Amino acid sequence: EAGVAQSPRYKIIEKRQSVAFWCNPISGHATLYWYQQILGQGPKLLIQFQNNGVVDDSQLPKDRFSAERLKGVDSTLKIQPAKLEDSAVYLCASSLDWVQETQYFGPGTRLLVL
Amino acid sequence: AQRVTQPEKLLSVFKGAPVELKCNYSYSGSPELFWYVQYSRQRLQLLLRHISRESIKGFTADLNKGETSFHLKKPFAQEEDSAMYYCALGGYGGATNKLIFGTGTLLAVQP
Repeated sequence: EAGVAQSPRYKIIEKRQSVAFWCNPISGHATLYWYQQILGQGPKLLIQFQNNGVVDDSQLPKDRFSAERLKGVDSTLKIQPAKLEDSAVYLCASSLDWVQETQYFGPGTRLLVL
Repeated sequence: AQRVTQPEKLLSVFKGAPVELKCNYSYSGSPELFWYVQYSRQRLQLLLRHISRESIKGFTADLNKGETSFHLKKPFAQEEDSAMYYCALGGYGGATNKLIFGTGTLLAVQP
């Protein structure tokens, strides 16, 4: 089966600019996750969707980050405006459902904010 | 608060030597523990989960609730085991399936 797809793979922007990342989960997976991984740290969950509804966004900096999954399939994560500390790898993952299901990760988008 | 601690950033061993990657967690409920692995230029992927009680690629991990640990072990390391290993805690919080990851341990197996 095809894995989780993400684009772009790399992005360089200046602070205060905006950026958007796209994720297409594995077909049939109801649950989608966005993680932020800062260099030297483990991934940190930003937001979890179940179909097109938000289950958990407690660690999403809502003043600058937004995410949507309008049709319950692919998803977009946006940062506006970006700060230097947003430099990280943004990982998308999906699972069949939310109950103890294995999460499958995409290749990630590496963001550098200058 | 829930937390996962991996005390070693780097573990270097020789091929054929035993490996133990340490993981301690902080959680008052019934934890679900996982080990994820990321090989060079590959995606993060699940290696094993404690509930499955299985051995994957020769690796095993036992949940010790008394010591709040979930160490990953392999009796004889292979060069292809070189990778970044993350311990993760899940299984709490109602409808959420979120994982809390440790900071990871880079395993380097020398020939």
